[in-house]
Amino acid sequence: DVKVTQSSRYLVKRTGEKVFLECVQDMDHENMFWYRQDPGLGLRLIYFSYDVKMKEKGDIPEGYSVSREKKERFSLILESASTNQTSMYLCASFPRGRQPQHFGDGTRLSIL
Amino acid sequence: AQKVTQAQTEISVVEKEDVTLDCVYETRDTTYYLFWYKQPPSGELVFLIRRNSFDEQNEISGRYSWNFQKSTSSFNFTITASQVVDSAVYFCALSEARNFNKFYFGSGTKLNVKP
Repeated sequence: DVKVTQSSRYLVKRTGEKVFLECVQDMDHENMFWYRQDPGLGLRLIYFSYDVKMKEKGDIPEGYSVSREKKERFSLILESASTNQTSMYLCASFPRGRQPQHFGDGTRLSIL
Repeated sequence: AQKVTQAQTEISVVEKEDVTLDCVYETRDTTYYLFWYKQPPSGELVFLIRRNSFDEQNEISGRYSWNFQKSTSSFNFTITASQVVDSAVYFCALSEARNFNKFYFGSGTKLNVKP
């Protein structure tokens, strides 16, 4: 089974902090994604990566950056956290081709 | 415009009732994929089914069934004899051939199954 692991289930940070959310997958998938999930808005794509060191902006990249130095790891960075970034963050991966995405358990991030 | 619309925000049923979750999509591509995911309270999205645009056959898996109708751009999901463990948020998603990296998710339908 594919395993997508997010480093934290719950995280509380302060406004202005630099926040790192880590995601690791164990199936050698090329594609990795970061979404945020908010009530009534479904999943919105922040960034995705289709290869090491490659990244593309999704629908809501403002205030975020990403890093993919190794194939298995995709990090989401909040450069200067703000309260409107309080949300559930979901990481996903899938291999080449029309395959379903596999998701991690999510990180509930609160910015105080 | 929304690519995937799940008009039902929340549905409540009593155990053993049948329930249908609606999904309407919009695309100009002739080749595309449709997905359903389940998100239980634990948070992880669990993949349920993938359908490509050339396969309109309905699918049944145990108590779950899916009705794909291109004529109405719908991909509805029915749970027969619902159980409390079916309580979750269900998401429908679309992936188009022009950019299969991009998944368009609906806003989700929260299903409450009461004992």
